[in-house]
Amino acid sequence: SQTIHQWPATLVQPVGSPLSLECTVEGTSNPNLYWYRQAAGRGLQLLFYSVGIGQISSEVPQNLSASRPQDRQFILSSKKLLLSDSGFYLCAWSATGVAEAFFGQGTRLTVV
Amino acid sequence: QKEVEQDPGPLSVPEGAIVSLNCTYSNSAFQYFMWYRQYSRKGPELLMYTYSSGNKEDGRFTAQVDKSSKYISLFIRDSQPSDSATYLCAMSQNSGGYQKVTFGTGTKLQVIP
Repeated sequence: SQTIHQWPATLVQPVGSPLSLECTVEGTSNPNLYWYRQAAGRGLQLLFYSVGIGQISSEVPQNLSASRPQDRQFILSSKKLLLSDSGFYLCAWSATGVAEAFFGQGTRLTVV
Repeated sequence: QKEVEQDPGPLSVPEGAIVSLNCTYSNSAFQYFMWYRQYSRKGPELLMYTYSSGNKEDGRFTAQVDKSSKYISLFIRDSQPSDSATYLCAMSQNSGGYQKVTFGTGTKLQVIP
């Protein structure tokens, strides 16, 4: 069966510090991978998606970037965090061309 | 106007009640319709996935899609305290070869013992 791992679960970082959140998927090949941010009352906002290694699409301009160095690994990064980057970040995967997405447990990021 | 509208609640019901959760949408290109359940501080969990108009049942859960009215529903029968969570509707459309998913903002449900 497929599983998705996302870490860390919580993170407190000072303004201006770098960020690296990692997500890995097991039990499937060539998944579509996604990073979402969830803010209270605003639902899930798609930040990045990837349909293959090295292929990253950004949905919204922001202070964040994403990379996919391996087929089942997706990384969310920032060089310098802003207070507005605080939120609940979720990684997800889906099979190619399929809408059903499966989520990791999320990372609650607080920038102080 | 948002593409997907969902009443944020909170919705509070007694244990054993039938719960009705709803979303409306404006984009006729949406093809697939999903419901997710999200417990506090956890990632969303896929509950139901439908493609066509009509009903789909899975245990105590029934998903209903009415494409003509652009309206989807999730019914929970014999609700349990463990059903207390936020329920997110989601819909997708084909976008350059991948399914772009748009989520509702979620309805918070509390089932009181």
